[in-house]
Amino acid sequence: NAGVTQTPKFQVLKTGQSMTLQCAQDMNHNSMYWYRQDPGMGLRLIYYSASEGTTDKGEVPNGYNVSRLNKREFSLRLESAAPSQTSVYFCASSRDPGDGYTFGSGTRLTVV
Amino acid sequence: KQEVTQIPAALSVPEGENLVLNCSFTDSAIYNLQWFRQDPGKGLTSLLLIQSSQREQTSGRLNASLDKSSGRSTLYIAASQPGDSATYLCAVSNSGYALNFGKGTSLLVTP
Repeated sequence: NAGVTQTPKFQVLKTGQSMTLQCAQDMNHNSMYWYRQDPGMGLRLIYYSASEGTTDKGEVPNGYNVSRLNKREFSLRLESAAPSQTSVYFCASSRDPGDGYTFGSGTRLTVV
Repeated sequence: KQEVTQIPAALSVPEGENLVLNCSFTDSAIYNLQWFRQDPGKGLTSLLLIQSSQREQTSGRLNASLDKSSGRSTLYIAASQPGDSATYLCAVSNSGYALNFGKGTSLLVTP
């Protein structure tokens, strides 16, 4: 019972490089989310997908793109990484609106 | 925009004490409220989920209450243990989707 799996767990990028953070859930959840966590700022929503085929912006979407590849997978892409995107990124999922969230273990990203 | 505040930011108690963590929010038109636990360097673990129509939820030594009219929730931890040491996060949803998080209360329970 894996829950929400995020890869990679750690990544160092140079400014301007691109990368994709992967997230997959095996709980047949309909909704998936990407958050970033920064010291002193708490967790902030980047993008979410209420259901397969839909995506919506959250509080801090600039510099990111997302793809809901299928019901299980929701990826986050940084096209041109900036030092301000150094953060811990969490993927989460929920079955239906109002249900509890299940979080992945996070990806620690450093942009130098 | 929903603002979520958690007080205190940090708390240290001796083992065995009962304690209360506080969460307040500015927009009372919430869908639900969740309490999470986060251990250092780890992800978030859901502790309790309270729907807007509910007043409280209980799980083991944990009890969470919700007062929408005053924009407050409390997490009560009975008979605290060193293993309860972690950061506790309160999160509110107005839509059923996006969560607005507080900055957390860092709890240390000393033996």
